[in-house]
Amino acid sequence: SAVISQKPSRDICQRGTSLTIQCQVDSQVTMMFWYRQQPGQSLTLIATANQGSEATYESGFVIDKFPISRPNLTFSTLTVSNMSPEDSSIYLCSVMGQVATDTQYFGPGTRLTVL
Amino acid sequence: GDSVTQMEGPVTLSEEAFLTINCTYTATGYPSLFWYVQYPGEGLQLLLKATKADDKGSNKGFEATYRKETTSFHLEKGSVQVSDSAVYFCALRKGGYALNFGKGTSLLVTP
Repeated sequence: SAVISQKPSRDICQRGTSLTIQCQVDSQVTMMFWYRQQPGQSLTLIATANQGSEATYESGFVIDKFPISRPNLTFSTLTVSNMSPEDSSIYLCSVMGQVATDTQYFGPGTRLTVL
Repeated sequence: GDSVTQMEGPVTLSEEAFLTINCTYTATGYPSLFWYVQYPGEGLQLLLKATKADDKGSNKGFEATYRKETTSFHLEKGSVQVSDSAVYFCALRKGGYALNFGKGTSLLVTP
């Protein structure tokens, strides 16, 4: 299984600012995803991070609000832009090492609080 | 579209009780099905999975069988422990490899 780290693990931010979350994997992976888990809710997919091209966003999420980069096969960033209290959530990075295994592994998450 | 429906919690059981958490799905084709667990203060962990009809996934005493005829993937354990207290998420893999999660079921096991 892949070992995934995220930075920061938590942060408290002011309304209107932006935060960039980093996801680092200890091995090259085929797929990387970003999810959001709002308080008391399930996980919702934000986007698929594509290496070398623009991310693929799910309905309700846009690039201007959640820009994503994936410069190589082991690293990705998610930026939460122009934050509001409604963005307070846990943001999770997920990876799939090999498509044939059909298994995703999740990072520890970044707990974001927006005041 | 594809979706997962889980029984609502919280579920409270005494230690050594039998556990069932219901999960049904709606999906085109033949999705893969998963159970993830989130222990208090920890990240999401894969508990078990099944990739085709009649497959049984198992891990740590938990089992779930992929039932195509009833579109279900219920999680069961014969004797729960206090350490099983967690939130359990049923999920399916839709096209494009991303996971579609249910709302989660909170389980509390008391001594």
